[in-house]
Formats: sequence, structure tokens, C-alpha cells
Amino acid sequence: AQSVTQPDIHITVSEGASLELRCNYSYGATPYLFWYVQSPGQGLQLLLKYFSGDTLVQGIKGFEAEFKRSQSSFNLRKPSVHWSDAAEYFCAVGGGGNKLTFGTGTQLKVEL
Amino acid sequence: NAGVTQTPKFQVLKTGQSMTLQCAQDMNHEYMSWYRQDPGMGLRLIHYSVGAGITDQGEVPNGYNVSRSTTEDFPLRLLSAAPSQTSVYFCASSRQGGDTEAFFGQGTRLTVV
Repeated sequence: AQSVTQPDIHITVSEGASLELRCNYSYGATPYLFWYVQSPGQGLQLLLKYFSGDTLVQGIKGFEAEFKRSQSSFNLRKPSVHWSDAAEYFCAVGGGGNKLTFGTGTQLKVEL
Repeated sequence: NAGVTQTPKFQVLKTGQSMTLQCAQDMNHEYMSWYRQDPGMGLRLIHYSVGAGITDQGEVPNGYNVSRSTTEDFPLRLLSAAPSQTSVYFCASSRQGGDTEAFFGQGTRLTVV
């Protein structure tokens, strides 16, 4: 069965500092990997996705993620965090039929 | 373009009551799904559909029914609400499964007392 682990429940960074959110997955085949962001009281918005090809993928809002097959990881990064990035971030692995398996999420707090 | 629309946004039910959470999408997506979000547990798949007339169970289907009579609509029914069903429910749709983006509604916050 597929699974996703986000080991960090909460992360606090200062505005302007770099950010890395960790994600490890378990999947039997080549995974479809996603990062979503959820602002308070809102639905989920796709930041970026990986299916194949270049292992470094660029997303919206200046985010990027790197797929490392050997480490079963898909970590999300941003060089310089803005106060508006404060939100909850979910890593997910996709299966057929729109069946996403989500991690438990990482709550990001940005200190001004 | 409305995307995925969920109604209602908030609901309080008494134990044993029934209700239907509505979900509609206007993107002509074949795939639709329902998730519940609980603190510390991320989102878990309840039911999904790969097209009109076709539904299947996800990870946590007990206590919920679905049907898909049209491409646009995918209602979620709680036949006899229980406090354990207190959660935030999200509907999602996508053009196809696997490698395409899922679009999410704004969620329905359900409290069962």
C-alpha cells in the first residue's frame, strides 16, 4: 500500500530565510508526487507535481521540489520565505482513479 | 469558472440524523472523490468515482454512501451521523487519475453532537 510521511508537524522560520519541508513516500511503482498548500479555512491548492523526467520541479509561488528515488523523498524548498507562505503543506502520492494518499501535513509559521 | 463547489460550508447534526453533502464541478472532469480531514491525520479518501455510474470505496468508507448519476455531481450521504464523523470534508475532481492535478472544493465543516 502507498504511504506518505511528513516527519515535521510544525516548522517555524524567519521571513527571508530558506525553507525545506520533508516528505518520504512508499509506492510500488514510479510515483506521481504532489505538494499542496492549504491556507486557514480554505481548500487545497497545488504547488507542484512530479511524474517523470527532470527530478527538480518548479512550482508556483517560488517553490521547488526534488525527487530522489534512492531516498524515496520529495522535499519541498523555497530560497526565501515570505510571511504569506504561512500555511499547512501536504505531500501526496497519486494512484489511479484520483486516489491520493496524503501525509499528515506540516504547519509552517513565519516569524517577521 | 466556479471549479468545484461544495455545499453547505458548515453543518451541525445530531447523532443519528442523515444528510447529504453536495459537490458539483463545472470542468467536465471524469474523476471525483471525497476526502475527510482530521487534525494530525491529513486527508483520507472516503469514496471516489471514475465516471458517471461508477463509484468505489477509499480508505475510510464506513458510514458513507455515494452515487454518481451525472458527470457534474458527486454527493456524499451520511445515513446515520455519528460523533466520529465530525470532520472537514473535501470534494475533489480531476480530468483523469494518477498524473493529473486534483482540484479541491472549499470544504464542508461538519459537527455531529
